[in-house]
Amino acid sequence: GAVVSQHPSWVICKSGTSVKIECRSLDFQATTMFWYRQFPKQSLMLMATSNEGSKATYEQGVEKDKFLINHASLTLSTLTVTSAHPEDSSFYICSASGAGDTQYFGPGTRLTVL
Amino acid sequence: AQTVTQSQPEMSVQEAETVTLSCTYDTSESDYYLFWYKQPPSRQMILVIRQEAYKQQNATENRFSVNFQKAAKSFSLKISDSQLGDAAMYFCAYTASGTYKYIFGTGTRLKVLA
Repeated sequence: GAVVSQHPSWVICKSGTSVKIECRSLDFQATTMFWYRQFPKQSLMLMATSNEGSKATYEQGVEKDKFLINHASLTLSTLTVTSAHPEDSSFYICSASGAGDTQYFGPGTRLTVL
Repeated sequence: AQTVTQSQPEMSVQEAETVTLSCTYDTSESDYYLFWYKQPPSRQMILVIRQEAYKQQNATENRFSVNFQKAAKSFSLKISDSQLGDAAMYFCAYTASGTYKYIFGTGTRLKVLA
């Protein structure tokens, strides 16, 4: 149980384009979903927290107009990187939690912006 | 502010031996949860073990156990009978009850030697 999927696993895009990453909880309802960014050999950096049906809460320093988060249902959250640039290239990980305090993580998405 | 410290950037263990990974944290909260996650080369974050602060009994999951010292704010992970598949980055994480946000340590890379 507690499986979280992410799609796509790897995406390459041109500078200036937008990219959407989906995060789904497959076997539980996720009241809260989280989006992280991870640089090579570093820990996870929380970007934002989203609750179903409400606006996401962004961490300090994260541009909410650049990283659009939508949590449309109890099983789906999306992260859209708008007008992507090479410095946005990174590994993005989502996680989801149900009624408890445990987060279950998706497999991650590697974004490469050319 | 709450912090999580992993003071061992890298550890090595011989196959079948036992290794202990250290984690200390700082908080003024009385109700919280602590976690160990494993991140293998695939980069999928896998929950290894979870500890509720109000429980005095140390959590155990098969070959994985913790030594939770609440007064000392220490939460170490012991891996017994180490296997090659245990090689990964291990992250210690803290969350205050009800906040759902994690604070991660910087990680410890575990190498398992055949």
